[in-house]
Amino acid sequence: QSVLTQPPSVSGAPGQRVTISCTGSSSNIGARYDVHWYQQLPGTAPKLLIYDNNNRPSGVPDRFSGSKSGTSASLAITGLQAEDEADYYCQSYDSSLSAYVLFGGGTKLTVL
Amino acid sequence: QVQLQESGPGLVKPSETLSLTCTVSGGSITTYYWSWIRQPPGKGLEWIGYIYSSGSTNYNPSLKSRVTISVDTSKNQFSLKLNSVTAADTAVYYCARTTHGSSTSWNFDYWGPGTLVTVSS
Repeated sequence: QSVLTQPPSVSGAPGQRVTISCTGSSSNIGARYDVHWYQQLPGTAPKLLIYDNNNRPSGVPDRFSGSKSGTSASLAITGLQAEDEADYYCQSYDSSLSAYVLFGGGTKLTVL
Repeated sequence: QVQLQESGPGLVKPSETLSLTCTVSGGSITTYYWSWIRQPPGKGLEWIGYIYSSGSTNYNPSLKSRVTISVDTSKNQFSLKLNSVTAADTAVYYCARTTHGSSTSWNFDYWGPGTLVTVSS
């Protein structure tokens, strides 16, 4: 099965900017499927953070932004806050052998 | 505000069938796709499959041979059956509304709180 590759962990100090990458292939992100990002706080269900590459649902602070280029996508968080410490997952769609939904392995963000 | 709630046994024996139901409130189950997603303890998310309110389905190729998702629009519910379970199927199981905004966009905008299912004798 195809995969979306994320770094296992990233960290930053309060107020800093961090980015989380999501690398796919020509059958998913590169095939123009949109990328979505989720934030999962400890012990809770994931929450949609960014949809369709760079759109924020209502209520998500504009400190969170997304971008996509070629076979990769990125999530950027500016003005890092303690409450941003969570797991972040990218998600897309794949059409290699059969069409299916695909998640990245997740990235643990630690606020130092 | 749409809300989802998973229900079902928290313990299933190896080789048996895992059965869960998701009840949708605050909105109609029609005209949307609905998914099951799972997360083994300490690991990442895995999409299991989705169903449209009409009953059409799509499953993760790695689970397709063991999965059945069904919908009951009269009860605003959809269900998951996973057969021949092993310890590897132990996970928190989430149900989620699946938004298909365009031909290239599938995402999950509302989630249930999740339910832990343990496979053990």
